[in-house]
Amino acid sequence: KAGVTQTPRYLIKTRGQQVTLSCSPISGHRSVSWYQQTPGQGLQFLFEYFSETQRNKGNFPGRFSGRQFSNSRSEMNVSTLELGDSALYLCASSLDGGVLADTQYFGPGTRLTVL
Amino acid sequence: GDSVTQMEGPVTLSEEAFLTINCTYTATGYPSLFWYVQYPGEGLQLLLKATKADDKGSNKGFEATYRKETTSFHLEKGSVQVSDSAVYFCARHNYGGSQGNLIFGKGTKLSVKP
Repeated sequence: KAGVTQTPRYLIKTRGQQVTLSCSPISGHRSVSWYQQTPGQGLQFLFEYFSETQRNKGNFPGRFSGRQFSNSRSEMNVSTLELGDSALYLCASSLDGGVLADTQYFGPGTRLTVL
Repeated sequence: GDSVTQMEGPVTLSEEAFLTINCTYTATGYPSLFWYVQYPGEGLQLLLKATKADDKGSNKGFEATYRKETTSFHLEKGSVQVSDSAVYFCARHNYGGSQGNLIFGKGTKLSVKP
């Protein structure tokens, strides 16, 4: 079974631009969560989608948004990029996520650099 | 609030040394517990997990036992290798909310020298 895939793996953008990252979960998984990882703040939860609906949301500004499609693939978008948005963005998928306490499987991440 | 606390790193060991990385958690009830490992330039990989008290998770020579009395889930390995050099994250399951479905510790960087 293929693992979680994320595209692109690397991105370089400039301040003020917007960016879209993509995540394809493991086949059959319906929950997709997004995390931001930085050296200073560690792993921070952005949001979780389940069956095309945002189920949970972390404490990030509205510039960070996401969506999930009917095939469970998910995208996240960051508008008006700031230097502080430079990070590794990780996507994780699981069968259900919350209620069943099942395991989250992570993709390799997208490394975003904002200049 | 609910959290996961790991020992501060970095940890530097010689090859074949014994490894312990401490992890404690706070929670209501008995959540599933996990150890993830992150190799340089990669995402997180599940290393092992335990879903109830007294369970022992194990994989690739690593072990951790779910201790409800001490709310701990310490990671151990009897003989580390250079290839074990990575960052290790302890995590507990969480039922959604602003922290999502997993609460992570800050990570412990392990360096193993030949």
